[in-house]
Amino acid sequence: QKEVEQNSGPLSVPEGAIASLNCTYSDRGSQSFFWYRQYSGKSPELIMFIYSNGDKEDGRFTAQLNKASQYVSLLIRDSQPSDSATYLCAVINAGGTSYGKLTFGQGTILTVHP
Amino acid sequence: DVKVTQSSRYLVKRTGEKVFLECVQDMDHENMFWYRQDPGLGLRLIYFSYDVKMKEKGDIPEGYSVSREKKERFSLILESASTNQTSMYLCASSFLLVSLGQFFGPGTRLTVL
Repeated sequence: QKEVEQNSGPLSVPEGAIASLNCTYSDRGSQSFFWYRQYSGKSPELIMFIYSNGDKEDGRFTAQLNKASQYVSLLIRDSQPSDSATYLCAVINAGGTSYGKLTFGQGTILTVHP
Repeated sequence: DVKVTQSSRYLVKRTGEKVFLECVQDMDHENMFWYRQDPGLGLRLIYFSYDVKMKEKGDIPEGYSVSREKKERFSLILESASTNQTSMYLCASSFLLVSLGQFFGPGTRLTVL
């Protein structure tokens, strides 16, 4: 079982819709959760992080965390063509030999069509 | 804004050459990381460093070494480049190891012929 799993997509949504990106993780000791956006040929760019159960909003982006279900999601409201990218979920474990290591999912390709 | 820079965007080397990839960050971050990214395999951690002269192996350290002589600079060394080390290499830095996110440089696309 992969440590961090994402649906690879591609996820295609129309402009103006809500895009929902999902991620599950296997390590219950995971402490911090991150969403990165990566445009083709570019490096990952941090867009959201979340530590506590519940929702965290930043502009059009909302991260949701449910530690009991080991699930983290990213909602993008009013999706724009410029949101078309690969979205990477990443998880940090704060204990043991994995301390401080960021584990990435494979990424979900999002396409927003006009 | 955090700025992480890498010495080259594109690099072409021959098998057996010694390759140096350099990374510099300007935000006084304690922690620095080297990853490689390959299609279908995602981002994989090669080495990281949480202090000057300190280093920790990541998930795929074989064939690589690192050097951190100054806080702002973290170098990745391929002692004898091989074709299977053709990849995108990404450097990242962070202030806190577990709390805040890592910030990535633009990447170096290395081709080993």
